[in-house]
Parts: sequence; structure tokens; C-alpha cells
Amino acid sequence: GENVEQHPSTLSVQEGDSAVIKCTYSDSASNYFPWYKQELGKRPQLIIDIRSNVGEKKDQRIAVTLNKTAKHFSLHITETQPEDSAVYFCAATPRNTGFQKLVFGTGTRLLVSP
Amino acid sequence: GAVVSQHPSWVICKSGTSVKIECRSLDFQATTMFWYRQFPKQSLMLMATSNEGSKATYEQGVEKDKFLINHASLTLSTLTVTSAHPEDSSFYICSARDTSGRPSYNEQFFGPGTRLTVL
Repeated sequence: GENVEQHPSTLSVQEGDSAVIKCTYSDSASNYFPWYKQELGKRPQLIIDIRSNVGEKKDQRIAVTLNKTAKHFSLHITETQPEDSAVYFCAATPRNTGFQKLVFGTGTRLLVSP
Repeated sequence: GAVVSQHPSWVICKSGTSVKIECRSLDFQATTMFWYRQFPKQSLMLMATSNEGSKATYEQGVEKDKFLINHASLTLSTLTVTSAHPEDSSFYICSARDTSGRPSYNEQFFGPGTRLTVL
């Protein structure tokens, strides 16, 4: 089945710096790659997603890039702010689930220091 | 739009009792809902897929007789943890897919989660 690896597990940056989180997936047919932000005790919130027919997507300070050949996708946060501190999860939808199920990465704890 | 609610938000129960958690899609129909479990500082692990009008499909290693799922309507799925034990203590989160054909196809909308503590 699909395996999604995520790095790093923790990331500490200074306010204003950029943060990059990377994920790799195993099923080359996976076609949907969302990123979620989860604050402690709260639900995961979709912050950006990308489909397999697109290489890059940007929404203000957040961007996602997808390299289908290498089977990896990355989350880029620019001009980080303390309120960006949270756990971020990537996910992919593999073919063997009919592209319905989400397989999550292990998560990255981002800490933005003022 | 695309709001998913869960009830209760937290529950404490004694070992051996059963607990029911409800997941509702408030403004859309969801033929498919998903149940996840999340232990502290870990990722979301899919437990089962709930299908309206049919039996749920469980992920490998998840006991279907322990985690009973019912999806009786297009807006409600329930998860019952039977004979709960302390090791079942976790954060249970549901999600729903909007299958109406809107542009949010593929996107899953998550409920706020239910924190279960078994004493």
C-alpha cells in the first residue's frame, strides 16, 4: 500500500524565516496531495492542496510543489509568524483505495519563535 | 459550507463500558465518511471507511466487533467503542467527503474530534 514519509519531524525557525516540509510517497498513481495544519487538540485544517496534474500551487504565504517523477511534494511557508506554530501533516490518495482514502505522513512540528 | 460536527467533544468512561461517537455532515451529503484515531504526538491513522447504507470497511488490524460503525443516513455516521479499555483512550476524528460533485472533490472535511479517556 501507499507509504508517505515526512521530514523533518520538528522544525524551529525564527519569525520571518521560511519553512520547508517535505514528503515522499510510494504510489506513483496517487493523484491528490493535501496539507493540513493541526493545533493541539483541534481538528486538522486543510491549508493547501495540489492535484497530480499541477506542479505548483500558491496561496499567499503558502505554496506546495509536486515532483511526480521523484514522487515527492513540499510545503513552503514564507515570512513565518508565531501563529504558524502547529503540527503539519501531508497526505496522499493512493490508487488502491480508489483515490478515496488519505494516507498521512508522520507530521512535522513547526515552532516559530518571535 | 462543508461543516462536519462530532459529538461528544470529550468523554470519560469506565473500563468495560461502551461509548458512542456521532459524526454529522451539516450542510452536505456524505455517502462516505472516515474514522481516524490519533494517539498523542502521532499521526492520524485511518480505522475504517463508513459507507451509507452498507457495511463499513475496516483497515488491517482494526477489530470490527470492537469498533462498530453505522452509517444510517447521508449525514450521520456513528462509531461505538465497545467494552472500552484504557488502551482505547485516544482522539477519535471523523471526516466526510463531499460527493456532490462540487470542486472540492477529493477533499475531506474533518470533525472537531472526540477525546476518549477510559479509566
